Parts: sequence; structure tokens; C-alpha cells
Amino acid sequence: DTGVSQDPRHKITKRGQNVTFRCDPISEHNRLYWYRQTLGQGPEFLTYFQNEAQLEKSRLLSDRFSAERPKGSFSTLEIQRTEQGDSAMYLCASSPGGGGQPQHFGDGTRLSIL
Amino acid sequence: RKEVEQDPGPFNVPEGATVAFNCTYSNSASQSFFWYRQDCRKEPKLLMSVYSSGNEDGRFTAQLNRASQYISLLIRDSKLSDSATYLCVVTLKSSGDKLTFGTGTRLAVRP
Repeated sequence: DTGVSQDPRHKITKRGQNVTFRCDPISEHNRLYWYRQTLGQGPEFLTYFQNEAQLEKSRLLSDRFSAERPKGSFSTLEIQRTEQGDSAMYLCASSPGGGGQPQHFGDGTRLSIL
Repeated sequence: RKEVEQDPGPFNVPEGATVAFNCTYSNSASQSFFWYRQDCRKEPKLLMSVYSSGNEDGRFTAQLNRASQYISLLIRDSKLSDSATYLCVVTLKSSGDKLTFGTGTRLAVRP
């Protein structure tokens, strides 16, 4: 399967714990995006990378959130000191970049905070 | 005002019906437009891009009216498998093509 892959699919953790998610984009896709989706809403943009450079971060991305894409391939999203409000589906997408090309999404990581 | 607005539905239609979804966007600088489909607890999947000239893909037709900042999706001859949430999506070139989603319109096709 050469699509976007995310790991883990599900994560259940206690409030206050740190969690890290991984995203492997489609090969040779320069752009990688993170979104968050809560029940009944469309996905909301969190951040994106052009190769290894993080070019934009949403105001939704508090200082407890950090994302990296160290070699311009896979990316990680870490949430520190998780809160109840962090419960959501975290979606990763990739695209070749530029020209309004559509993004292709991974299956997502569903985070539940107890 | 939300950047992308959609009627959340649900639209409940019989098989074979024609159904239309509408969407409006607030930023006149929006550059690219898409419809994505999302099944329950799954990831969004690209249904089709939307062009000013209008475009068709089988039973699906999308239209864009830039002057009115309005996007539509028409589904003809609805199938049970069309039941899903349809997300209207726009991008701004100046923002790295990040996607801005509407809340989605739920469609339920009944036998």
C-alpha cells in the first residue's frame, strides 16, 4: 500500500500523559499536513511542512503540541500533558505541493483521553 | 462567520433520487475547491475537484460560482453506497494550500 499511513490507529491515555503519533506520507510528496477532527465537525488545520521545514502553525496548536519532519519524510506529532479537549481524530495528509493539488489522507489516529 | 458553510443535513433520500448539496465560502481569494467524502469514523477521501467551468464524474456534477462564492455538488441516481458525509473544501494559495473544510453534509440513501 503506497498511501499515507498513520500509527497508531487508536490511542487511549490518561489525562496528563504525553502521546506521539507518526505519519508516513506518500513517497516523494513534499508537503505534509496535520489536521484535527472532532465529532460533527470538519477537519481543522493544525500545521504543515514543505519537506523538513514547518511553514505554518494554526492557533489551535498550543505550546503543548509539537510536530517534526526531520528528514522531510515521515512526521511526528507530540502532545504533552494531554487534556480532555485533546480527544479527537488526528489526520495526516500529503500532497506533491503547489498548484492546488488535492491532499490524500491517512486513516487517522483516534485519541481518547480518560 | 465560518469560512466554509454547509447545511449539515441529514438529507434522507430514496435510491435513485437526485440530491444537491450547496456550500458557500467567505474568502474571495480562495483558489482551489474540492468535494471530499467521509464515511463514518474513516478518513476524508477526495471525491472531485471543482472547476469554474463545472465538471462531471459519472453520476456526480460539481459547479463553482466565483462571483457568488458558491459551490454545489449534484448526485444523480443515488445508490445506497453514496451514504456518507460530503465535505466542501477550499484552499488559499497564500496559505500553503491548507484545506479549509465545511462541517459536512450528511446523506442517507434508503432502499
